[in-house]
Amino acid sequence: DTEVTQTPKHLVMGMTNKKSLKCEQHMGHRAMYWYKQKAKKPPELMFVYSYEKLSINESVPSRFSPECPNSSLLNLHLHALQPEDSALYLCASSPYSGPNTGELFFGEGSRLTVL
Amino acid sequence: GEDVEQSLFLSVREGDSSVINCTYTDSSSTYLYWYKQEPGAGLQLLTYIFSNMDMKQDQRLTVLLNKKDKHLSLRIADTQTGDSAIYFCAERGGSASKIIFGSGTRLSIRP
Repeated sequence: DTEVTQTPKHLVMGMTNKKSLKCEQHMGHRAMYWYKQKAKKPPELMFVYSYEKLSINESVPSRFSPECPNSSLLNLHLHALQPEDSALYLCASSPYSGPNTGELFFGEGSRLTVL
Repeated sequence: GEDVEQSLFLSVREGDSSVINCTYTDSSSTYLYWYKQEPGAGLQLLTYIFSNMDMKQDQRLTVLLNKKDKHLSLRIADTQTGDSAIYFCAERGGSASKIIFGSGTRLSIRP
């Protein structure tokens, strides 16, 4: 299984809602990532988990709360978002060490619209 | 700081070669990558090159690295309509876990 699966594919939420994005991989990768991608822009790193511990937080607002319950799952909890948070949220995984550390396996993304 | 730059658009005729260019600033980058993103999809790693290499070839793809000028290029031979996508250059930054993406080059194919 060489896939990263993200759910839901599309999400529409109001500014007072609480929702979660989910990501799953079964490749035994020990690093997992959340990226945010606005239209016509490159992905921007939000969070990195290594061995289920948060290793990088790119100064992301606290209305985004990541969680890594186990080595296969990564969640992104959303609360009190703003319309400017509307974007494609991409999950990725990679082997933690070795020459292929930069080989990221991406999911298809969750397209979020905040009304 | 780390910065990766690319031209935004490239249009080529079907069957011709495409050359997508990228410049980066982090001289400590050990690996450089090319990713492809088709509409509505996530990114897919195409190829990568280690910084002690000048060139890497993989079927229709050729990567050239000029470390002195911090310039990376991706050549796609015999470009097909299925090659239409956005191509991102990326470098592994100071932290082994941090991958920095360029702005992306949108490749379009003319018949």
